[in-house]
Amino acid sequence: AQKVTQAQTEISVVEKEDVTLDCVYETRDTTYYLFWYKQPPSGELVFLIRRNSFDEQNEISGRYSWNFQKSTSSFNFTITASQVVDSAVYFCALSAPLYNFNKFYFGSGTKLNVKP
Amino acid sequence: KAGVTQTPRYLIKTRGQQVTLSCSPISGHRSVSWYQQTPGQGLQFLFEYFSETQRNKGNFPGRFSGRQFSNSRSEMNVSTLELGDSALYLCASSFLAGPGETQYFGPGTRLLVL
Repeated sequence: AQKVTQAQTEISVVEKEDVTLDCVYETRDTTYYLFWYKQPPSGELVFLIRRNSFDEQNEISGRYSWNFQKSTSSFNFTITASQVVDSAVYFCALSAPLYNFNKFYFGSGTKLNVKP
Repeated sequence: KAGVTQTPRYLIKTRGQQVTLSCSPISGHRSVSWYQQTPGQGLQFLFEYFSETQRNKGNFPGRFSGRQFSNSRSEMNVSTLELGDSALYLCASSFLAGPGETQYFGPGTRLLVL
């Protein structure tokens, strides 16, 4: 079975603080893909990053960075020097295509509030 | 390139009615997936279409159905609406339907059932 857990329901930080959003996944497939999406109040899910199970390199994109650790089945997302515009709900998602084609399993999301 | 578009953006219906939602994928994308988002259940997969064929279906009752046209546009239909069908319905498209392809989402249709 495939499952994604985002234990942090809501996080509040003050602007310029660093914040890490946790994502833990479960799958028995050896080939899988992990994603992060951002959902602002408008509702649209905005794609942030895709990572496959064979690539454990961490990635940095501007103020965003991602830490993928297969040993702990985690794919955490860090925002450095947070800004008010980062306020949104962030979703981690898993795709394990062996039996499920392109079906995504989403975590419950973490609502990030960045206060000025 | 234009993103995924969904119409209508907002909809109010009453119990027992039926509704049809429309999704136009990104130009060139051939796979369309639908998701339901509610505060209680989160984001749940409804179904996926590729080349007019339903390839995968989530755990929803038969009242939920969909189809895809030859131009890759997709519609989903919900018959005999129930209060619990109130949700944000999101459509996503991907270029093909290969393993782990990135899905790009539209703005969603907010359905309220009274």
